Amino acid sequence: GAVVSQHPSWVICKSGTSVKIECRSLDFQATTMFWYRQFPKQSLMLMATSNEGSKATYEQGVEKDKFLINHASLTLSTLTVTSAHPEDSSFYICSAREGGGQGETQYFGPGTRLLVL
Amino acid sequence: KNEVEQSPQNLTAQEGEFITINCSYSVGISALHWLQQHPGGGIVSLFMLSSGKKKHGRLIATINIQEKHSSLHITASHPRDSAVYICARIIQGAQKLVFGQGTRLTINP
Repeated sequence: GAVVSQHPSWVICKSGTSVKIECRSLDFQATTMFWYRQFPKQSLMLMATSNEGSKATYEQGVEKDKFLINHASLTLSTLTVTSAHPEDSSFYICSAREGGGQGETQYFGPGTRLLVL
Repeated sequence: KNEVEQSPQNLTAQEGEFITINCSYSVGISALHWLQQHPGGGIVSLFMLSSGKKKHGRLIATINIQEKHSSLHITASHPRDSAVYICARIIQGAQKLVFGQGTRLTINP
């Protein structure tokens, strides 16, 4: 099946710094990528939908100036957590969808654990 | 109330048992995903279905659109099946997934 990678898999940073997470589709072109956040023992929550070449669509309650998303190519989307704080510590997961119609399978990345000290 | 409800939330069974996880949703869908999340966090898409039944190995997924209900079955369960199983509906007219809260499955040897 299709492969989505994320980098880094783990990051520990100091409060106030910015962290960039990359999401790549390795063997297909992803017209749409999604960014999720998952807190311990909770389900995934969609943060934003990213379409190649256009601005991301953020879910209600997600600060677009804090979570910067760039989908510059059909195989790469990045999420930058700016001025990270301890409450941003979470598991961030991306998924990528091939094709433009409804119903295509989403392929998930392995996730990035962020710990902000 | 979550739009996607799963039951049970936790399930512990012995190796070899037949497992059923249920998923109900409250609004219309274009398709439903079943996902598996392992302890390390990685997520695998098991099935996407919009009608009927799909089978892959020991896993079977069924969906009843009229009743807004889907089930995931595992036959001859094995400890390596231990994971969190999540159903997610695809919002009609949009691209987004709405997730259930997950079912934590533990299979004891």
